Amino acid sequence: EIVMTQSPATLSVSPGERATLFCRASQTVSSNLAWYQQKPGQAPRLLIYGASTRATGIPARFSGSGSGTEFTLTISSLQSEDSAAYYCQQYDDWPPWTFGQGTKVEIK
Amino acid sequence: QVQLVESGGGVVQPGGSLRLSCVASGFKFSDYGMHWVRQAPGKGLEWVAFIRDDGSRKFYADSVKGRFTISRGNSKNTLYLQMNSLRTEDTAVFYCAKDRYLGGDHFDYWGQGTLVTVSS
Repeated sequence: EIVMTQSPATLSVSPGERATLFCRASQTVSSNLAWYQQKPGQAPRLLIYGASTRATGIPARFSGSGSGTEFTLTISSLQSEDSAAYYCQQYDDWPPWTFGQGTKVEIK
Repeated sequence: QVQLVESGGGVVQPGGSLRLSCVASGFKFSDYGMHWVRQAPGKGLEWVAFIRDDGSRKFYADSVKGRFTISRGNSKNTLYLQMNSLRTEDTAVFYCAKDRYLGGDHFDYWGQGTLVTVSS
């Protein structure tokens, strides 16, 4: 089973500043990596797939990068509505499909 | 637009059973793999089960294998999760999610979830 590890657990960023979230896989997942956003009381929403492709309707301030075992989600200019938990997921080697434990982004 | 609507959650005693449903609309249900994912209170996301477009292949997380059964009714555009021998640690919000393809890809749409509480 591929273990996904996210850091940091919590990130506090001022509005307009850049937020950088990290995700590491225990073995290579190529570019088969997705990022999801989950706001309190809501379902997860797909942000990024293929490590760097934005899903439909996702603002350009969200970008993903990386391949192999190291990945990054960047929010270039944080907005108040970006306060949420963010999860990475690998879909390279399954079952199981595995998620990171999440990073909570707070607005400072 | 794609919609996934779960139902069937509730309170059940340990050892009990529950069947969840997920009604899909806005896409050709029979062409896509489907998943169940759960989230315990205050915790992260855990994949639970997968079924291929035609129901020919099914996979389960080790934590539910032998207790949960995933199925689908393509004529009814409905995904199911039969949960038996429930444990307190199964308490969670259960989401159905659409696979981008037949299976083995990311999850492009999610339902709003249904809460399952296992408690005496």
